[in-house]
Amino acid sequence: NAGVMQNPRHLVRRRGQEARLRCSPMKGHSHVYWYRQLPEEGLKFMVYLQKENIIDESGMPKERFSAEFPKEGPSILRIQQVVRGDSAAYFCASSPPNRGAETQYFGPGTRLLVL
Amino acid sequence: AQKVTQAQTEISVVEKEDVTLDCVYETRDTTYYLFWYKQPPSGELVFLIRRNSFDEQNEISGRYSWNFQKSTSSFNFTITASQVVDSAVYFCALSYAGNNRKLIWGLGTSLAVNP
Repeated sequence: NAGVMQNPRHLVRRRGQEARLRCSPMKGHSHVYWYRQLPEEGLKFMVYLQKENIIDESGMPKERFSAEFPKEGPSILRIQQVVRGDSAAYFCASSPPNRGAETQYFGPGTRLLVL
Repeated sequence: AQKVTQAQTEISVVEKEDVTLDCVYETRDTTYYLFWYKQPPSGELVFLIRRNSFDEQNEISGRYSWNFQKSTSSFNFTITASQVVDSAVYFCALSYAGNNRKLIWGLGTSLAVNP
C-alpha cells in the first residue's frame, strides 16, 4: 500500500511565476491536509479538504493561494505570483474518513525555492 | 485556543544516554489527541505515536516511551540508550477530536546524538 505521494519533491520558481504542488493521498483516504514549514517558524496548518470540498482554509493566505481536491486525481496546492517568502517545505497529509481518522500520514514534502 | 510548547530547542547527547523531550500543551477541549512526529535529516515526517486524552496510560515501544499527564498538560517523550540514528527534529502536536483534525504543532526539538 503506497504511502502519501507528493510531487515534485523540489520546485524552483522565479518571482511572479506559479507553483503547483500535487498530493496523492493513501489509498482509501479521503481527507487531505496541507501544512507549510517555514524556516524558524515550524509547521503551520494551511487547509483541510475532503473530496470536492474545502472544509477549513483558515491557515491559508487570502491572496495568491488556493487548494482543491477533485473527485478524481490528486489534491493541488496552487500558489500564484510566488514571492521569496513563499520558499518553504509544503507537506501534505492524509487520513481515512472514519476509523483511524485521528492520525495523519505525511508525504515526503515539496521544497519550494523562489529565486 | 490551542497551543503546544516544546521548550527545548536543541539537545545534544552522547550515544547510549537517555534523553527526554518535553511537550506542554494548552486546550479547552475535554477530548483531544496528542502526537509525536520525527523529522530526520532527510526531511520527511514520520508518525511515532498518538494518544487520546482519555487514555493516560504510558506507552513503551522499544527504546521509546511516552509519559502523558493531564494534571500538568504534558506529553513527554523519552529515548532510552540513544543512538546516532535517533538524531532528528521531534515535533509534538495536538488536534481536536471533532471532524476537523488539523494539527497544532510545537516548534520542535532538534536532537543530536553524538558517537
